[in-house]
Amino acid sequence: SQTIHQWPATLVQPVGSPLSLECTVEGTSNPNLYWYRQAAGRGLQLLFYSVGIGQISSEVPQNLSASRPQDRQFILSSKKLLLSDSGFYLCAWRYGTGMDEQFFGPGTRLTVL
Amino acid sequence: KNQVEQSPQSLIILEGKNCTLQCNYTVSPFSNLRWYKQDTGRGPVSLTIMTFSENTKSNGRYTATLDADTKQSSLHITASQLSDSASYICVVGSFSGGYNKLIFGAGTRLAVHP
Repeated sequence: SQTIHQWPATLVQPVGSPLSLECTVEGTSNPNLYWYRQAAGRGLQLLFYSVGIGQISSEVPQNLSASRPQDRQFILSSKKLLLSDSGFYLCAWRYGTGMDEQFFGPGTRLTVL
Repeated sequence: KNQVEQSPQSLIILEGKNCTLQCNYTVSPFSNLRWYKQDTGRGPVSLTIMTFSENTKSNGRYTATLDADTKQSSLHITASQLSDSASYICVVGSFSGGYNKLIFGAGTRLAVHP
């Protein structure tokens, strides 16, 4: 069976510090991978998606970047965090890009102080 | 602009009662509609997925309906349980440029009280 992991589960970082969130998927190969941010009272916002190693598409301009160094590893990074980067970050995967179900990870709660 | 709006924003019901959550969307082109359940501090979990040709789909005590003409969907929960307390998110898929983009609603926060 497939599982998706995210770490850390929670993170408190000062403004201006770097960020690295990691997401890994087990039990599948060549998944499509996604990073979302969820702000309180708002819908999930797609940040990045990747259809393969080294292939990253950005949905919105922001202070963040993403990388996919391995088939089942997706990393969300920032060189200098802003207060507005606080939120709940979710990684997700699915087989294809059509009707396939999308599976979400447990999420990372990031607080920037 | 593609949008998904859900109502009510929050809802409190007593255990054992039924409830219905609403979703209105303005998404084009429409591909599919999904309902997710998200427990606090956890990732969303899929409940149902429907295409435009499907009017209703059930998953246990959860029944989703879709009216593609009026662009409305509902999620009906029967005989609610305490474990149903969660946020319920309506998500509309739009297939464009070879990619099925998902547009998320803000969710309805449901609290089931004993």
